[in-house]
Amino acid sequence: SQQGEEDPQALSIQEGENATMNCSYKTSINNLQWYRQNSGRGLVHLILIRSNEREKHSGRLRVTLDTSKKSSSLLITASRAADTASYFCATDDRKLIWGLGTSLAVNP
Amino acid sequence: GAGVSQTPSNKVTEKGKYVELRCDPISGHTALYWYRQSLGQGPEFLIYFQGTGAADDSGLPNDRFFAVRPEGSVSTLKIQRTERGDSAVYLCASSEGPHQETQYFGPGTRLLVL
Repeated sequence: SQQGEEDPQALSIQEGENATMNCSYKTSINNLQWYRQNSGRGLVHLILIRSNEREKHSGRLRVTLDTSKKSSSLLITASRAADTASYFCATDDRKLIWGLGTSLAVNP
Repeated sequence: GAGVSQTPSNKVTEKGKYVELRCDPISGHTALYWYRQSLGQGPEFLIYFQGTGAADDSGLPNDRFFAVRPEGSVSTLKIQRTERGDSAVYLCASSEGPHQETQYFGPGTRLLVL
């Protein structure tokens, strides 16, 4: 069973624009992680936010976490064509529980 | 350094056959995870090893699936009497230890059962 639900399922933007993806989850968590996946393979860890944190930055990425609403958002600023990928949130229960992902297309 | 490697990258087999999928974790990583990902879906947890022992195998779908990690490094996922529904990408990940949350993923093995 999947824990997270990403929203939207698909997003298409122009290069240079910002992209925002949301994730909702069901149970209490220790942390929430965002991963990127290109071409159906190769999951890459992007950022981890702990349950006692509300916001975290890493380069062009900004993640927020609202544990009262059981939701998180990932903002990618100044998007590039290379950001085209699927983005997944995963919650830590020793094993990662994953959502269905948001498919992001950044058009040059 | 070297990342997580998985072999083979692609495997085509016939229904009813036995397959083995191999994962080589990052050197020194004690935790190893297997996931399965179907098209358009997120990864689905299968099993987690801490060292040589399976700390959590609750994601294995049935007794046709089995995984081992005899020396605490390389792991093999074994699927008996394969079914068409087993077709998926099988992903392996490792982390430094049980309390190191970031997992590093291999490229996956794409299994197709005809």
